[in-house]
Amino acid sequence: KQEVTQIPAALSVPEGENLVLNCSFTDSAIYNLQWFRQDPGKGLTSLLLIQSSQREQTSGRLNASLDKSSGRSTLYIAASQPGDSATYLCAVNDYKLSFGAGTTVTVRA
Amino acid sequence: DAGVIQSPRHEVTEMGQEVTLRCKPISGHDYLFWYRQTMMRGLELLIYFNNNVPIDDSGMPEDRFSAKMPNASFSTLKIQPSEPRDSAVYFCASLGDRDRTEAFFGQGTRLTVV
Repeated sequence: KQEVTQIPAALSVPEGENLVLNCSFTDSAIYNLQWFRQDPGKGLTSLLLIQSSQREQTSGRLNASLDKSSGRSTLYIAASQPGDSATYLCAVNDYKLSFGAGTTVTVRA
Repeated sequence: DAGVIQSPRHEVTEMGQEVTLRCKPISGHDYLFWYRQTMMRGLELLIYFNNNVPIDDSGMPEDRFSAKMPNASFSTLKIQPSEPRDSAVYFCASLGDRDRTEAFFGQGTRLTVV
Protein backbone atom coordinates (compact mmCIF):
# COMPACT_ATOMS: atom_id res chain seq x y z
CA LYS A 1 0.00 0.00 0.00
CA GLN A 2 1.34 3.43 -0.97
CA GLU A 3 2.15 5.66 1.99
CA VAL A 4 2.65 9.38 1.36
CA THR A 5 4.25 11.61 4.00
CA GLN A 6 4.63 15.36 4.00
CA ILE A 7 7.08 17.17 6.21
CA PRO A 8 6.79 19.60 7.87
CA ALA A 9 3.12 19.60 8.85
CA ALA A 10 3.19 23.37 9.26
CA LEU A 11 5.52 26.18 8.29
CA SER A 12 5.56 29.89 9.06
CA VAL A 13 7.92 32.23 7.22
CA PRO A 14 8.32 35.96 6.68
CA GLU A 15 7.35 37.37 3.32
CA GLY A 16 10.09 37.04 0.72
CA GLU A 17 11.61 33.87 2.10
CA ASN A 18 11.78 30.80 -0.10
CA LEU A 19 9.60 27.83 0.83
CA VAL A 20 10.67 24.18 0.69
CA LEU A 21 7.96 21.55 1.07
CA ASN A 22 8.75 17.86 1.15
CA CYS A 23 6.82 14.81 0.06
CA SER A 24 7.94 11.20 0.36
CA PHE A 25 6.30 8.01 -0.86
CA THR A 26 6.98 4.35 -0.30
CA ASP A 27 6.32 2.72 -3.68
CA SER A 28 8.29 4.16 -6.59
CA ALA A 29 6.12 2.51 -9.26
CA ILE A 30 4.19 5.67 -10.04
CA TYR A 31 2.83 7.34 -13.17
CA ASN A 32 3.26 10.86 -11.90
CA LEU A 33 3.04 13.13 -8.87
CA GLN A 34 0.85 16.18 -8.52
CA TRP A 35 1.04 19.13 -6.15
CA PHE A 36 -2.15 20.84 -5.04
CA ARG A 37 -3.03 23.91 -3.06
CA GLN A 38 -6.05 24.09 -0.77
CA ASP A 39 -7.37 27.29 0.78
CA PRO A 40 -9.52 27.03 3.91
CA GLY A 41 -13.02 25.79 3.12
CA LYS A 42 -12.19 25.38 -0.57
CA GLY A 43 -11.43 22.63 -3.02
CA LEU A 44 -8.05 21.52 -4.30
CA THR A 45 -6.33 23.49 -7.03
CA SER A 46 -3.71 21.78 -9.14
CA LEU A 47 -0.32 23.51 -9.13
CA LEU A 48 2.08 21.21 -10.92
CA LEU A 49 2.12 17.76 -12.46
CA ILE A 50 5.46 16.02 -12.71
CA GLN A 51 5.71 12.84 -14.75
CA SER A 52 7.62 9.83 -13.49
CA SER A 53 10.16 10.30 -16.29
CA GLN A 54 10.81 13.93 -15.34
CA ARG A 55 13.18 15.27 -12.73
CA GLU A 56 11.75 18.76 -12.53
CA GLN A 57 8.75 20.90 -13.47
CA THR A 58 8.43 24.67 -13.20
CA SER A 59 5.55 27.13 -13.24
CA GLY A 60 6.30 30.73 -12.39
CA ARG A 61 7.65 30.90 -8.84
CA LEU A 62 6.97 27.21 -8.30
CA ASN A 63 9.41 24.44 -8.99
CA ALA A 64 8.85 20.76 -8.23
CA SER A 65 11.52 18.09 -8.29
CA LEU A 66 11.05 14.35 -8.34
CA ASP A 67 13.45 11.59 -7.38
CA LYS A 68 11.42 8.51 -8.04
CA SER A 69 14.10 6.04 -7.01
CA SER A 70 14.33 7.51 -3.53
CA GLY A 71 10.60 8.21 -3.30
CA ARG A 72 10.87 11.97 -2.85
CA SER A 73 9.48 15.15 -4.28
CA THR A 74 10.13 18.71 -3.23
CA LEU A 75 8.08 21.80 -3.99
CA TYR A 76 9.99 25.07 -3.96
CA ILE A 77 8.16 28.39 -3.84
CA ALA A 78 10.41 31.34 -4.48
CA ALA A 79 10.01 34.74 -2.84
CA SER A 80 6.94 33.84 -0.81
CA GLN A 81 3.99 36.22 -0.51
CA PRO A 82 1.12 36.37 2.00
CA GLY A 83 -1.15 35.07 -0.79
CA ASP A 84 0.83 31.84 -0.75
CA SER A 85 -0.62 31.01 2.66
CA ALA A 86 -2.55 27.77 2.21
CA THR A 87 -2.24 24.04 2.67
CA TYR A 88 -0.14 22.26 0.07
CA LEU A 89 -0.78 18.60 -0.70
CA CYS A 90 1.08 16.13 -2.82
CA ALA A 91 -0.68 13.26 -4.55
CA VAL A 92 1.03 10.18 -5.91
CA ASN A 93 -0.59 8.58 -8.93
CA ASP A 94 0.10 4.86 -9.04
CA TYR A 95 -3.11 2.93 -9.67
CA LYS A 96 -4.99 5.50 -7.59
CA LEU A 97 -4.33 8.97 -6.22
CA SER A 98 -2.82 8.76 -2.74
CA PHE A 99 -2.45 11.97 -0.75
CA GLY A 100 -0.18 13.15 1.98
CA ALA A 101 -1.61 14.99 4.99
CA GLY A 102 -0.39 18.32 3.68
CA THR A 103 1.82 21.17 4.81
CA THR A 104 0.06 24.27 6.10
CA VAL A 105 2.01 27.37 5.14
CA THR A 106 1.69 30.81 6.68
CA VAL A 107 3.55 33.69 5.08
CA ARG A 108 3.80 36.66 7.44
CA ALA A 109 3.66 40.14 5.95
CA ASP B 1 -15.39 22.85 -19.74
CA ALA B 2 -16.80 24.05 -16.42
CA GLY B 3 -14.63 21.65 -14.48
CA VAL B 4 -15.81 19.00 -12.04
CA ILE B 5 -19.22 19.94 -10.70
CA GLN B 6 -20.54 18.69 -7.39
CA SER B 7 -23.92 19.17 -5.82
CA PRO B 8 -25.12 20.12 -3.36
CA ARG B 9 -22.37 22.34 -1.95
CA HIS B 10 -23.75 22.00 1.55
CA GLU B 11 -26.02 19.39 3.05
CA VAL B 12 -27.41 19.26 6.56
CA THR B 13 -29.40 16.20 7.43
CA GLU B 14 -30.65 14.32 10.43
CA MET B 15 -29.14 11.07 11.59
CA GLY B 16 -30.77 8.12 9.88
CA GLN B 17 -31.68 9.97 6.71
CA GLU B 18 -30.44 9.03 3.27
CA VAL B 19 -27.96 11.41 1.66
CA THR B 20 -27.06 11.51 -2.03
CA LEU B 21 -24.07 13.44 -3.31
CA ARG B 22 -23.65 14.10 -7.00
CA CYS B 23 -20.73 14.62 -9.31
CA LYS B 24 -20.32 15.54 -12.95
CA PRO B 25 -16.76 14.89 -14.14
CA ILE B 26 -14.94 16.74 -16.87
CA SER B 27 -16.10 15.58 -20.27
CA GLY B 28 -13.78 12.96 -21.74
CA HIS B 29 -12.18 12.01 -18.45
CA ASP B 30 -12.11 8.25 -17.92
CA TYR B 31 -11.40 8.17 -14.20
CA LEU B 32 -13.55 9.41 -11.34
CA PHE B 33 -12.58 9.44 -7.67
CA TRP B 34 -14.58 10.04 -4.52
CA TYR B 35 -12.71 11.33 -1.45
CA ARG B 36 -13.68 12.25 2.07
CA GLN B 37 -11.77 14.92 3.99
CA THR B 38 -11.78 15.43 7.75
CA MET B 39 -9.41 17.21 10.08
CA MET B 40 -8.53 13.97 11.82
CA ARG B 41 -7.98 11.72 8.80
CA GLY B 42 -7.16 14.09 5.96
CA LEU B 43 -8.12 13.06 2.43
CA GLU B 44 -9.28 9.46 2.19
CA LEU B 45 -10.00 7.75 -1.10
CA LEU B 46 -13.38 6.05 -0.90
CA ILE B 47 -13.79 4.59 -4.39
CA TYR B 48 -12.69 5.16 -7.93
CA PHE B 49 -14.14 4.31 -11.33
CA ASN B 50 -12.58 3.72 -14.71
CA ASN B 51 -14.89 3.98 -17.71
CA ASN B 52 -17.88 3.90 -15.34
CA VAL B 53 -16.74 0.65 -13.71
CA PRO B 54 -15.82 0.62 -10.00
CA ILE B 55 -12.19 -0.45 -9.75
CA ASP B 56 -11.32 -0.09 -6.09
CA ASP B 57 -13.90 0.43 -3.35
CA SER B 58 -11.68 -0.68 -0.49
CA GLY B 59 -11.91 2.76 1.06
CA MET B 60 -15.67 2.70 1.45
CA PRO B 61 -16.05 2.66 5.22
CA GLU B 62 -19.18 0.56 5.58
CA ASP B 63 -22.10 -0.96 3.74
CA ARG B 64 -23.99 2.23 4.45
CA PHE B 65 -21.93 3.82 1.69
CA SER B 66 -22.55 3.07 -1.96
CA ALA B 67 -21.44 4.71 -5.20
CA LYS B 68 -22.62 4.43 -8.77
CA MET B 69 -21.62 5.75 -12.13
CA PRO B 70 -24.47 5.05 -14.54
CA ASN B 71 -22.80 6.93 -17.38
CA ALA B 72 -19.65 8.85 -18.20
CA SER B 73 -21.07 12.19 -17.10
CA PHE B 74 -22.60 11.41 -13.73
CA SER B 75 -21.79 9.70 -10.46
CA THR B 76 -23.49 9.49 -7.07
CA LEU B 77 -22.30 8.69 -3.58
CA LYS B 78 -25.07 7.59 -1.27
CA ILE B 79 -25.07 7.18 2.50
CA GLN B 80 -27.98 5.30 3.99
CA PRO B 81 -28.57 5.64 6.88
CA SER B 82 -26.38 8.63 7.69
CA GLU B 83 -24.63 9.03 11.05
CA PRO B 84 -23.00 12.05 12.73
CA ARG B 85 -19.53 10.55 12.14
CA ASP B 86 -20.15 10.82 8.40
CA SER B 87 -19.91 14.60 8.71
CA ALA B 88 -17.07 15.66 6.44
CA VAL B 89 -16.31 17.30 3.13
CA TYR B 90 -16.75 14.93 0.21
CA PHE B 91 -14.77 15.61 -2.95
CA CYS B 92 -15.09 14.23 -6.42
CA ALA B 93 -12.16 14.31 -8.85
CA SER B 94 -11.71 13.31 -12.44
CA LEU B 95 -8.68 12.32 -14.47
CA GLY B 96 -8.21 11.91 -18.19
CA ASP B 97 -5.27 9.89 -19.33
CA ARG B 98 -3.90 8.11 -16.27
CA ASP B 99 -0.23 8.50 -16.95
CA ARG B 100 -0.12 11.94 -18.52
CA THR B 101 -2.79 14.29 -17.24
CA GLU B 102 -3.71 16.19 -14.14
CA ALA B 103 -6.53 15.30 -11.80
CA PHE B 104 -9.10 18.02 -11.21
CA PHE B 105 -11.27 18.36 -8.15
CA GLY B 106 -14.75 19.66 -7.60
CA GLN B 107 -15.50 22.24 -4.92
CA GLY B 108 -16.75 19.57 -2.56
CA THR B 109 -19.93 18.90 -0.61
CA ARG B 110 -19.85 19.79 3.06
CA LEU B 111 -22.03 17.24 4.82
CA THR B 112 -23.28 17.76 8.35
CA VAL B 113 -25.27 15.00 10.01
CA VAL B 114 -27.02 16.11 13.20
